[in-house]
Amino acid sequence: AQKITQTQPGMFVQEKEAVTLDCTYDTSDPSYGLFWYKQPSSGEMIFLIYQGSYDQQNATEGRYSLNFQKARKSANLVISASQLGDSAMYFCAMREGSNFGNEKLTFGTGTRLTIIP
Amino acid sequence: GAVVSQHPSWVICKSGTSVKIECRSLDFQATTMFWYRQFPKQSLMLMATSNEGSKATYEQGVEKDKFLINHASLTLSTLTVTSAHPEDSSFYICSARELVYTGELFFGEGSRLTVL
Repeated sequence: AQKITQTQPGMFVQEKEAVTLDCTYDTSDPSYGLFWYKQPSSGEMIFLIYQGSYDQQNATEGRYSLNFQKARKSANLVISASQLGDSAMYFCAMREGSNFGNEKLTFGTGTRLTIIP
Repeated sequence: GAVVSQHPSWVICKSGTSVKIECRSLDFQATTMFWYRQFPKQSLMLMATSNEGSKATYEQGVEKDKFLINHASLTLSTLTVTSAHPEDSSFYICSARELVYTGELFFGEGSRLTVL
């Protein structure tokens, strides 16, 4: 079974609109971390936001917020007021186990986001 | 944030030759580095975990004799693709964690390998 599922291979969004990128995960470990990365066409992986399984509040970083619904095992990324520079591939990833000593990430298949002017 | 640099950023080689890719942590010491492989329009797949001063741990299905990993210092890990074949053509990305682990992994810019 897939550990990380991103069901949207591609999305087109009008500039300045908000966009939600879906991510569901599967783990039996009570301790885990969820990440979102942005990969522009140049290839580098840019860290966006992190949510720990025990975090009480949804993570936010500037225009990025993570809609964490633990019971549904979903960790959707919300980008507010989208910009042309947001066009890129977006990957959801999970680290199972505690922070220390286990940093392997499992990535989803990604969502290609295109912002339309 | 911390900087991880890969070199070369792209390389073209003939089938049968070996190619070495370097991953350096520029402003921090990295006890652990990870090597990922990404085929076009696909996700990142972890190949191996590289620990300074010890043998790398390879994921299931990754040939350790083909993908040689050396982590000789706290700032450098190398991936050598031996006897490369066209099917080895891919985007290889490394990531690193700091000596004092803060929870964040830092990724290199990636290296695109094309084997003719």
